[in-house]
Amino acid sequence: KQEVTQIPAALSVPEGENLVLNCSFTDSAIYNLQWFRQDPGKGLTSLLLIQSSQREQTSGRLNASLDKSSGRSTLYIAASQPGDSATYLCAVRQHTYKYIFGTGTRLKVLA
Amino acid sequence: GAVVSQHPSRVICKSGTSVKIECRSLDFQATTMFWYRQFPKQSLMLMATSNEGSKATYEQGVEKDKFLINHASLTLSTLTVTSAHPEDSSFYICSASPGTTYEQYFGPGTRLTVT
Repeated sequence: KQEVTQIPAALSVPEGENLVLNCSFTDSAIYNLQWFRQDPGKGLTSLLLIQSSQREQTSGRLNASLDKSSGRSTLYIAASQPGDSATYLCAVRQHTYKYIFGTGTRLKVLA
Repeated sequence: GAVVSQHPSRVICKSGTSVKIECRSLDFQATTMFWYRQFPKQSLMLMATSNEGSKATYEQGVEKDKFLINHASLTLSTLTVTSAHPEDSSFYICSASPGTTYEQYFGPGTRLTVT
């Protein structure tokens, strides 16, 4: 059974710092991995999607990497801003429609 | 493109009553829709998967008689929480997939509070 874990559960950093969020999964037979952002009381915003054959994806200040064999993904946020404060979720999809979500990292960027 | 809406965004109901939540794909046809539940400070848990015109497939531990799902058209799925209890209070999020790819597009969520 696939399990997805995110570390740390919560993180507080000063503005401008570069930071790394971690996601690990137990079954490496995945179709893709996706990072989402969730603001309090809101739905999900897709940030980056990495196919199983890819190693990384970049969008602006965000970079996500995938090491499928070791069951790990990282989300790198450069030059963090207060507007980046949110909960970040990773989700893996195996060869079905089903997404398995991680436990989330609550990020607070202090001005 | 690929916008999914949910209605209502918030609902408060009394214990024992039923409440219906709608999920619509606004600019694409969704052959498959998904319903998730999220308790405070927890992650999303898939409740059920529904394909247009057929019965929903429920995840283990989700009561199908309590959470009624109808996917009557390619743009609309509804989740009805029957005989709601305070422990059903949660954030319910739907997602929709066009079927041409396995991408899922998420709705903004519905906050249900049962008093």
